[in-house]
Amino acid sequence: AQSVTQLDSHVSVSEGTPVLLRCNYSSSYSPSLFWYVQHPNKGLQLLLKYTSAATLVKGINGFEAEFKKSETSFHLTKPSAHMSDAAEYFCVVTPSSGGYNKLIFGAGTRLAVHP
Amino acid sequence: NAGVTQTPKFRVLKTGQSMTLLCAQDMNHEYMYWYRQDPGMGLRLIHYSVGEGTTAKGEVPDGYNVSRLKKQNFLLGLESAAPSQTSVYFCASSPRDNQPQHFGDGTRLSIL
Repeated sequence: AQSVTQLDSHVSVSEGTPVLLRCNYSSSYSPSLFWYVQHPNKGLQLLLKYTSAATLVKGINGFEAEFKKSETSFHLTKPSAHMSDAAEYFCVVTPSSGGYNKLIFGAGTRLAVHP
Repeated sequence: NAGVTQTPKFRVLKTGQSMTLLCAQDMNHEYMYWYRQDPGMGLRLIHYSVGEGTTAKGEVPDGYNVSRLKKQNFLLGLESAAPSQTSVYFCASSPRDNQPQHFGDGTRLSIL
């Protein structure tokens, strides 16, 4: 069975400092992985996706994530946080049966950005 | 660009009442999904559809029914609402398999 664990439920950073949101996954097969962002009272928006091409994936708004098979990790990073980055972030993995029609969500990491 | 539109945005029900949540997408997507989001649990799939006239159960289908009579619409029904169904419900769609999902802004449902 596939699963995804977001290691921090809350992360707090100062504006202009780096962001690191951690995600580990378990999968019997080579997975496809996503990061989604959810701003308050909004739906989820795709930040980036990994689909077995380059291991370093660049997304929108300056975010990127690196797929590390040996560590079963897919951590999300950004060099410099902005106030508008405050939101909840979800790491998502596809199931072993393949396809994107069933996604497995992590519990989420709430990012706070302070002036 | 409407994308995925959910109605209503908010609703309060009494235990035992019924209601239908509507999801509409204007992107001609084949696949549609209903999720519920509860604190600390991420999103859990309730039901999904891989095309007009088809539906399938997800992870937490009990107490819900769905219908996909038209390609652009996906309805989620609660026949007899229970307090455990208090949640935020999200609809999503995708063009086909192997494509990311597009989400609506959610429906906040409280059942007293």
